[in-house]
Amino acid sequence: QVQLVQSGAEVKKPGASVKVSCTASGYTFTGYYLHWVRQAPGQGLEWMGVINPGESSTRYAQKFQGRVTVTRDTSTSTVYAELSSLTSEDTAVYYCAREPGGVPAGDKNFDYWGQGTLVTVSS
Amino acid sequence: QSALTQPRSVSGSPGQSVTISCTGTSSDVGGYNSVSWYQQHPGKAPKLMIYDVSKRPSGVPDRFSGSKSGNTASLTISGLQAEDEADYYCCSYAGSRGYVFGTGTKVTVL
Repeated sequence: QVQLVQSGAEVKKPGASVKVSCTASGYTFTGYYLHWVRQAPGQGLEWMGVINPGESSTRYAQKFQGRVTVTRDTSTSTVYAELSSLTSEDTAVYYCAREPGGVPAGDKNFDYWGQGTLVTVSS
Repeated sequence: QSALTQPRSVSGSPGQSVTISCTGTSSDVGGYNSVSWYQQHPGKAPKLMIYDVSKRPSGVPDRFSGSKSGNTASLTISGLQAEDEADYYCCSYAGSRGYVFGTGTKVTVL
């Protein structure tokens, strides 16, 4: 069965960086896009970016351009999202989510989600 | 990248129907048939309920249905049940902008 397992909660100081991981299993890792979506406390969902694990190509939301980097390690079926120059507004739960349908077309939705990783930014 | 507009809350009694709207622009909702809906219970990850405007994934009850007209998509829950009480988010593919989510709607079962 498809599973996305994320790394544990993080506490960071303003100005620091954080790197969250998402390990996939139960399907061909390189065959499906993986996205990152975040949710600030009491707020809505916000799309951050996507990676094609097969080619390592990425696309980011304009809001996060220059501050987020998504990478992958095919040997461990893991994708990473690193966010730099953290502020208190980056305090949120970060989710990875799979896009069904397979590369390159994709199905433009998110069928499986990780359990979420809480990142707290506080001095 | 503005969020899609949803009502903050809707409510209904068990057995009734509720409809949640999701308004965007011709660059997202109106431009693509790639609108999806997600259910989120407190402290849980979102769950896909509707994709491609009106398709249901396997295992989602047929009480959930979706539609779209112009720049507005809608999710209808018929025969409301207690377990449907949750937050619901729409999402649209937006081309070069990637994806945009709605503001979210809290569904309360009275």
